[in-house]
Amino acid sequence: TQLLEQSPQFLSIQEGENLTVYCNSSSVFSSLQWYRQEPGEGPVLLVTVVTGGEVKKLKRLTFQFGDARKDSSLHITAAQPGDTGLYLCAGARAGKSTFGDGTTLTVKP
Amino acid sequence: GAVVSQHPSWVICKSGTSVKIECRSLDFQATTMFWYRQFPKQSLMLMATSNEGSKATYEQGVEKDKFLINHASLTLSTLTVTSAHPEDSSFYICSARDMVVGVSTQYFGPGTRLLVL
Repeated sequence: TQLLEQSPQFLSIQEGENLTVYCNSSSVFSSLQWYRQEPGEGPVLLVTVVTGGEVKKLKRLTFQFGDARKDSSLHITAAQPGDTGLYLCAGARAGKSTFGDGTTLTVKP
Repeated sequence: GAVVSQHPSWVICKSGTSVKIECRSLDFQATTMFWYRQFPKQSLMLMATSNEGSKATYEQGVEKDKFLINHASLTLSTLTVTSAHPEDSSFYICSARDMVVGVSTQYFGPGTRLLVL
C-alpha cells in the first residue's frame, strides 16, 4: 500500500501570511499532482511535477518535488481569502494515484 | 486542461429507488475512470476503478452489486446506486485518467450530490 501523508490537516491563517503544506511518502512516484477543491465542487488540478527537485510556480503558489520523488510541498505566499479550500496531493505510480488526506485551508480577511 | 463532466450535479430520490450518475471525458479518451465518495470536510474515498470494456475493480468494503459501474466507451462511465438508502447520501465524484508522454494525471468531474429521503 502506498501511503501519502499530508500535513497539516487543518490550517487557519490571516490574510497576508505565508504557509506550507507537505506531502510525504516512503514510495517513489513517477509524478505528483496538487489539486484544490472548493465546497460542493470537484478537485481542480493545480500542477503536475515529474522531475526530482523540480520547482513550479503558479502566481503566489510554489510547488516542489523532492529530489527522490517521494515528497512534495506547496508554499503559498501572502495568502488571500480566495485561497481557502481543500488542497489535495496525489502521487502517481504505475498508472494509479494515491491521494493524501487533504489540507483544509481557511484564510481569514 | 482536460475537461470531465458529470451529470446530474444533484439528485434527490426516494429510498429504494436507483440513481444513475454519468461521467464523461469531453476532450480526451479515458480507458480508466475512477469513482469516489466524499463526506463533508474529508478527503476522497476511492470506491472503484472503471476500466473500458471490462469489469470494474472495487475497493474493499464497497458492494459491487449496490454500486454498479459500466464503462462502455472511452469517454463515458456510469455509476448506478441501486436500491438507494439514506446512508448512501453523499457527494460522488468521478475522475478520468489522461496519459500524456507517460505522465498519468487524473481530471475530476464537478461531482454529484445525492440525497436519499
